[in-house]
Amino acid sequence: EVQLVQSGAEVKKPGESLKISCKGSGYSFTSYWIGWVRQMPGKGLEWMGIIYPGDSDTRYSPSFQGQVTISADKSISTAYLQWSSLKASDTAMYYCARRAKSYYYYMDVWGKGTTVTVSS
Amino acid sequence: QSVLTQPPSASGTPGQRVTISCSGSSSNIGSKAVNWYQQLPGTAPKLLIYRNNQRPSGVPDRFSGSKSGTSASLAISGLQSEDEADYYCAAWDDSSYVFGTGTKVTVL
Repeated sequence: EVQLVQSGAEVKKPGESLKISCKGSGYSFTSYWIGWVRQMPGKGLEWMGIIYPGDSDTRYSPSFQGQVTISADKSISTAYLQWSSLKASDTAMYYCARRAKSYYYYMDVWGKGTTVTVSS
Repeated sequence: QSVLTQPPSASGTPGQRVTISCSGSSSNIGSKAVNWYQQLPGTAPKLLIYRNNQRPSGVPDRFSGSKSGTSASLAISGLQSEDEADYYCAAWDDSSYVFGTGTKVTVL
């Protein structure tokens, strides 16, 4: 079964750093792009960026460029989303999702999400 | 701020047909395929329609998608209580994947 398993909920203080993870299984992890999507409380979906674990090619949404870092460790089939200095406005649910292997752009498999709460 | 605009809400009684619109521009819907995602309460989004009108395996055929020009639509025919969810359109735009503003479907 194809799965993306995300790390558990996090509670952090403003200014702290954080790295959350997304582990793929049931498919060739290095052959599919993995994207990250933010959903702030009560709000819609926002695409943050995407990485190709095979060669770590990474693309960011202009809205998130410089705000977060996306990385991957193909040896353990895991993608990451990290912050160097969290803000209260980073409080959200974060989903990882796999881009389908297709000429067309769509996300066919989603993780269950990681809740990040940033509060003093 | 999303570049794909959807109505905030839609509703219908069981068995009715509900349609959700998604309005974009020439840089996204006008030139790229549209996808739709369903987000049931408290769960992760799920791919519902891809490439304008294709259903992934397991998605009931009461869900259908269409596209014309810079707009797209999702139709739910034979509305069921389990269809109560948020629905998002999405497409590639220039250098980013963009989601619609989302539509909450309520089954009356």
